[in-house]
Amino acid sequence: NAGVTQTPKFQVLKTGQSMTLQCAQDMNHEYMSWYRQDPGMGLRLIHYSVGAGITDQGEVPNGYNVSRSTTEDFPLRLLSAAPSQTSVYFCASSGRNRGTQYFGPGTRLLVL
Amino acid sequence: KNEVEQSPQNLTAQEGEFITINCSYSVGISALHWLQQHPGGGIVSLFMLSSGKKKHGRLIATINIQEKHSSLHITASHPRDSAVYICAVNYGGSQGNLIFGKGTKLSVKP
Repeated sequence: NAGVTQTPKFQVLKTGQSMTLQCAQDMNHEYMSWYRQDPGMGLRLIHYSVGAGITDQGEVPNGYNVSRSTTEDFPLRLLSAAPSQTSVYFCASSGRNRGTQYFGPGTRLLVL
Repeated sequence: KNEVEQSPQNLTAQEGEFITINCSYSVGISALHWLQQHPGGGIVSLFMLSSGKKKHGRLIATINIQEKHSSLHITASHPRDSAVYICAVNYGGSQGNLIFGKGTKLSVKP
């Protein structure tokens, strides 16, 4: 099993550009989530999904969209990048009982 | 607001020392997680517990539900234990979303 994979590992964007951060898992997990990690702060939930076709907002959803067309994939879209979105983004998944969390390797995003 | 507080923020130890990292939370939870973030950035789950104590190798995690407190202990610490240790709690509900502490940065010197 590859676990949770994320691409790209690093990205530089200009203000106003859009992009999609990819996340995939091969463990048939129902629950998937996106977090951002900023210096001096804990991981914060952006969006999450409890199954294919179901998504919901987390603590900091503004400026981001998600979709969940399959169990495996959960892409995060930045609609119009802003410097405040400079961060490290982690995707995570867990099974039906919300047990052990499996994290992807992270995407480091720099918005100029 | 549901909060998760960790202490200390930073910890430096000598190889072989016994280490304790603390986590407290504000309201009742369904589960508590301890995570490890390596210097390279990857995050791995160490423990998930809802009561009592769990042990894996040199790592021990305990939780006191009444006091809303958990501790992560590392026995015979080693430089490879240097990492950021993160506490996260699940407040339950259908979503099962986690609230994270800010982490404790541990450095173990040889």
